Amino acid sequence: DIQMTQAPSSLSASVGDRVTITCRASQSISNYLSWYQQKPGKAPKLLIYAASSLQSGVPSRFSGSGSGTDFTLTISSLQPEDFATYYCQQSYNTPRTFGLGTKVEIK
Amino acid sequence: QVQLVQSGTEVKKPGASVKVSCKASGYTFTGSYIHWVRQAPGQGLEWMGRINPNSGGTSYAQKFQGRVTMTSDTSISTAYMELSRLNSDDTVVYYCARGTDLGHFDYWGQGTLVTVSS
Repeated sequence: DIQMTQAPSSLSASVGDRVTITCRASQSISNYLSWYQQKPGKAPKLLIYAASSLQSGVPSRFSGSGSGTDFTLTISSLQPEDFATYYCQQSYNTPRTFGLGTKVEIK
Repeated sequence: QVQLVQSGTEVKKPGASVKVSCKASGYTFTGSYIHWVRQAPGQGLEWMGRINPNSGGTSYAQKFQGRVTMTSDTSISTAYMELSRLNSDDTVVYYCARGTDLGHFDYWGQGTLVTVSS
């Protein structure tokens, strides 16, 4: 199985901050990487797919980059509604695997 | 608009089975895989498997092989996930999600809480 390692596991940030979350795959996954946002009690929401494509309706302050094994999710200017947990997921093969998540909290 | 609507909360005894449904609307049901993902309280996301509603073909995570069965009924655009021999570790929220050609999940159900308790 492909292991997905996210860092950090949590972070504290202020509104307006630039936030970067990294995800590393245990083997090359090309660009088969997506990012999800999850708020408490809610289903995950797709933000980014194919490493850098923005899902329709997602604000442009979210961006993704990377290829191969190393990937990044960036929030350019953190907004109050962005405080949530973020997960990366590989779709290179099955079983699909997720990172353990990064919880973004208010500083 | 695409929607996946799941069945409601379940309470089961250890050793029992549970069957969760996921009703799709707003798109051609046979055109996309349905995946099942679960999440323990306060924990991360775990992929259980997927079904191709068009063919009925399935792929399960090794962890659940022999205990999970995924089916679909195209006449009512509904997918099902049945998990047998339940134990306390199966007390989690189960999600269905629509898979895309690139493999990501673009729409999710609202989740179904299954509680296993004697």
